[in-house]
Amino acid sequence: DIQMTQSPSSLSASVGDRITITCRASQTITYLNWYQQKPGKVPKVLIHAASSLQDGVPSRFSGSGSGTDFTLTISSLAPEDFATYYCQQSYSIPPTFGQGTKVEMK
Amino acid sequence: EVRLVESGGGLVQPGGSLRLSCEVSGYTFSSFWMSWVRQAPGKGLEWVANIKQDGSEKNYVDSVKGRFTISRDNAKNSLFLEMSTLSAEDTAVYFCARGPGVGYYAMDFWGQGSTVTVSS
Repeated sequence: DIQMTQSPSSLSASVGDRITITCRASQTITYLNWYQQKPGKVPKVLIHAASSLQDGVPSRFSGSGSGTDFTLTISSLAPEDFATYYCQQSYSIPPTFGQGTKVEMK
Repeated sequence: EVRLVESGGGLVQPGGSLRLSCEVSGYTFSSFWMSWVRQAPGKGLEWVANIKQDGSEKNYVDSVKGRFTISRDNAKNSLFLEMSTLSAEDTAVYFCARGPGVGYYAMDFWGQGSTVTVSS
């Protein structure tokens, strides 16, 4: 199975900050997705195929990367962005998720 | 509006069985792969299984192979997960999601989740 490792596991930030979350795969992958999950809520897809913004997702979210290293960037953190973020490789079965990055208010 | 509604969760003893259902509306159910994803209390997401549009192809994570069976009824717009020989490690919220979990597109619509608790 492909292992996905996110860093950091958590971060503290303020509204308006630019933040970057990194996701590293244990082998080269083609497809990588990013999800946001708020406490007690359902995961919501933000980015698919590494850099394609899902319909309806604000443009402050962006994804980049290829091979084994990928990033999710929020250009200016909004109050509703405090949540946990997961990367997920969709290259091979079984699809696997990173352990999550919790973005907390500073 | 796309809706996925899970049901069937509950408290079950170790070694027991449970059947989860996911009723779908708002799109042509038979046109999409479907998946089950679970989340143990306080933990991350784990993909469990997927099934092709016509049910002819199914895949499972190793930890549930031989114990869980995914199925669907396209006439009833419903997805199922039959779980047997349950253990405490299966305790989780189980989400149904549209999409195979692999390929270009992500799992784009998710149900609200059904809680399974395995305990004596």
